[in-house]
Amino acid sequence: EAQVTQNPRYLITVTGKKLTVTCSQNMNHEYMSWYRQDPGLGLRQIYYSMNVEVTDKGDVPEGYKVSRKEKRNFPLILESPSPNQTSLYFCATRGGYSNQPQHFGDGTRLSIL
Amino acid sequence: QQQVKQSPQSLIVQKGGIPIINCAYENTAFDYFPWYQQFPGKGPALLIAIRPDVSEKKEGRFTISFNKSAKQFSLHIMDSQPGDSATYFCAASDHYGQNFVFGPGTRLSVLP
Repeated sequence: EAQVTQNPRYLITVTGKKLTVTCSQNMNHEYMSWYRQDPGLGLRQIYYSMNVEVTDKGDVPEGYKVSRKEKRNFPLILESPSPNQTSLYFCATRGGYSNQPQHFGDGTRLSIL
Repeated sequence: QQQVKQSPQSLIVQKGGIPIINCAYENTAFDYFPWYQQFPGKGPALLIAIRPDVSEKKEGRFTISFNKSAKQFSLHIMDSQPGDSATYFCAASDHYGQNFVFGPGTRLSVLP
């Protein structure tokens, strides 16, 4: 079964405490991306990766880092989280070019106090 | 230029009604226009998608209408059911999928 697995699903933490949200896919897809979802704003792309060791900024990359050392994993790193990064985060993966569907994980709800 | 506008923000219809959700874009480099459906606690899932070389696409009860000259596209749900109650996002992407932009979403409620 095609799966995109995010961990943790929920996290409450404090400002400045580094955290990592992991994302793993079992579809052997080259493309992976991270989005944040906020009410009234839809999903906004944070970073994406077209392949291993290839990453690029999306629309809202400030305050985030990513790495793509293996095809199946694409962790999202918040080095010094701030309250404005409280949001619902989704990892997604897609095969081939843009006309392939993106498969999303079930989301990670982050609350930063 | 990257923005995709979507309306309405929320929509309530009776069972059997035909909700219509509208989207508009500016970037003429976009050539792939999918719609995603999201249920609470889940990630979005692809519902239906269209390319600008056709003006309409149907899949079951879901239809996309596309107007290339107006840079607008819409989703119609025929014979809507309570199980269709969800949030719907339109999106747009360029050919290589490097720029993938979502609309702000429409929360649809279908009353029994």
